[in-house]
Order: sequence, then structure tokens, then C-alpha cells
Amino acid sequence: GAVVSQHPSWVICKSGTSVKIECRSLDFQATTMFWYRQFPKQSLMLMATSNEGSKATYEQGVEKDKFLINHASLTLSTLTVTSAHPEDSSFYICSASTLVAGLYFGAGTRLSVL
Amino acid sequence: AQTVTQSQPEMSVQEAETVTLSCTYDTSESNYYLFWYKQPPSRQMILVIRQEAYKQQNATENRFSVNFQKAAKSFSLKISDSQLGDTAMYFCAFMLYTGANSKLTFGKGITLSVRP
Repeated sequence: GAVVSQHPSWVICKSGTSVKIECRSLDFQATTMFWYRQFPKQSLMLMATSNEGSKATYEQGVEKDKFLINHASLTLSTLTVTSAHPEDSSFYICSASTLVAGLYFGAGTRLSVL
Repeated sequence: AQTVTQSQPEMSVQEAETVTLSCTYDTSESNYYLFWYKQPPSRQMILVIRQEAYKQQNATENRFSVNFQKAAKSFSLKISDSQLGDTAMYFCAFMLYTGANSKLTFGKGITLSVRP
């Protein structure tokens, strides 16, 4: 099956720094990638939809300047948490979509902001 | 807007027994997909089963099967011969297919514990 690689799996950073999370589709081209945030024991909350070569579409309530998304190629999307603060600590998950309605998930990134 | 409801936050089942996880959804659309995803302690989201709304036949994948009631907007997951590895959080999800931008709408999830 299709594989989505997400890196890093865990990152600890100081408050005020920026963190970049990568999401790669390894064996297929993903026209669309999605970014989710998940708190412990809760569901996935969609943050934004990322399309290759165009600006991401953010869900209501998600700060565009805080969570920068770049989808530079058909196999790579990045999420940058800018000026991270402790309240940004969470589990971030990406998923990649193919045109045959397949959705594949990365393993997630645990972000801890000190 | 579509909504997915999983009303049971937790369930427990004895190993080798059968358990059914409930899910209801609300939509005015007729063409859509429904999914059950498993999220074990590793937190990797794993697709368990998928159902196309236009198909009347219930999907099955080995020990996993669904009871899809389109008129009632119900989509329950049955796990037969439960195994310890089935312990995980399970999410029901809805997708209205609109092409590559099709988004998943998730339910709140249910934590399933399989007892030895």
C-alpha cells in the first residue's frame, strides 16, 4: 500500500522558536495533503488542506500566520509552526490523497514546546 | 455540513468475543464514503474498512465487517474474535467525494479495550 512518511516523529523546542514538520508521499504523487491536530484521547481536527503549487486552505479558527503550510511538490508538504508556544504542544498528523479516493496517513509528530 | 456521531466513549470486550462499535452520521448527500480507522497506542492511523454509499453490500475485511444502513444513516463496525492487538481508539469517518480535495469528517472516537 501507499506510504506516507512524516518527520520528525517527536520534537521538543523552546518557546518562541519555529518548528518544521515534513510530510512525504513515498511511492505515489499526492495532489492534496491534509494537516490535522490531535489532543490526547480526542479526535483529529482538520487544520488545513494543502494543494501542490497553490496556497493552502485553512479551516476556520486556524491561524494562517502561525501554521505555515507549503506544498512545493507532488510528494512533499511541510507544516511550520512559527514562534511556537506551550499551547501549540500537540500531536500533528498529515495525510495524503490520491485521485482514486485513497487517503493515507503519516505516523504523526509529537510537538512539545517548553 | 456533515456530522459523524460516536456516542460511546469507551468499550471493553473479552478476547475472542465479538464487539460492535456504533456510528451514525448526517448528510443530505447521496454519494459518499464511510470509513473506520484504528489508532493504536503508536498513534498511527490505520484504515480498517471502507464502504461506498452506493454499494448495498456490507464491506468485510477478515474479522472486521460493517452494518451499513443508509436510510438510517448508521454505520457500525463489528469485530469478531477480538484480539489483544485490537486494543485501540476507533474513529468513524465520512467523506463526500469531490475529487482530490475530499475531506474526512471524523467522529469523536471510541476507546476499545480487549481483555485477556
